[in-house]
Amino acid sequence: EAGVAQSPRYKIIEKRQSVAFWCNPISGHATLYWYQQILGQGPKLLIQFQNNGVVDDSQLPKDRFSAERLKGVDSTLKIQPAKLEDSAVYLCASSLGTDTYEQYFGPGTRLTVT
Amino acid sequence: GESVGLHLPTLSVQEGDNSIINCAYSNSASDYFIWYKQESGKGPQFIIDIRSNMDKRQGQRVTVLLNKTVKHLSLQIAATQPGDSAVYFCAESYKSYDYKLSFGAGTTVTVRA
Repeated sequence: EAGVAQSPRYKIIEKRQSVAFWCNPISGHATLYWYQQILGQGPKLLIQFQNNGVVDDSQLPKDRFSAERLKGVDSTLKIQPAKLEDSAVYLCASSLGTDTYEQYFGPGTRLTVT
Repeated sequence: GESVGLHLPTLSVQEGDNSIINCAYSNSASDYFIWYKQESGKGPQFIIDIRSNMDKRQGQRVTVLLNKTVKHLSLQIAATQPGDSAVYFCAESYKSYDYKLSFGAGTTVTVRA
C-alpha cells in the first residue's frame, strides 16, 4: 500500500513569511496527526484529526499555526508568520483510528527559517 | 513536557553484537508503549509495541521488556546489523482511547563494522 505522502520535502523561508505543508494519509486512515520535530528531539504532537474533526490541538500555537483536513482525507498545515524557532521537521502520520496506536509516518518536511 | 525519556542519547555497537536501548517513563498510568526507528531523512517507522499488562514481547530480532515496578522500558536488538543504525524513540500513551503518543528524545545507534 502507498505510504503517507508529504510535500514539499524541504522549504527555506525568511522569518515573517508564510508557509504551507501538505499531507496525504494512507487510504482509509481516519486519524491524521501533525508533529513538529526539532533537531535532536522526539516528535511533538501539534494536532490530531479524526476524519475532518479536530480531536486535540492543545499544543498548536494558534496565533501562527493553523491546520485543516477538508473532506477527511488530505490535510494542510500552515504557519503565518514564521519565526526562527519554527525551524524543524514537520511530520504527518496517519492511523486507522480505531483500536490502534500504530501510526504511519510520512517522510516529513524540513523547514528552515532564516 | 515529555514524560518519556531515554537513558543515553547515543549508543555505539559492534556489528553482530546485541544492542540494548533503554527508556524511562514517569507516568505510572501509561498503558501502552511503542518503539520507533527513524533513519536519516525519513519518518519514524514502527518496530514493536507492548501493553502494560505484558512484561515482554518479541518480534523479528527485537525484544521489548517492560518493568512497571521501576517504570523502565528496553529494546533489545539481536545480532545488530549496519541497517540498524538510526535514532530509536520510545513513546507512551497514558490516556486510553485517544490514541495519542508522547515521544522521548531518542537514542542514536551507530553500528561499527
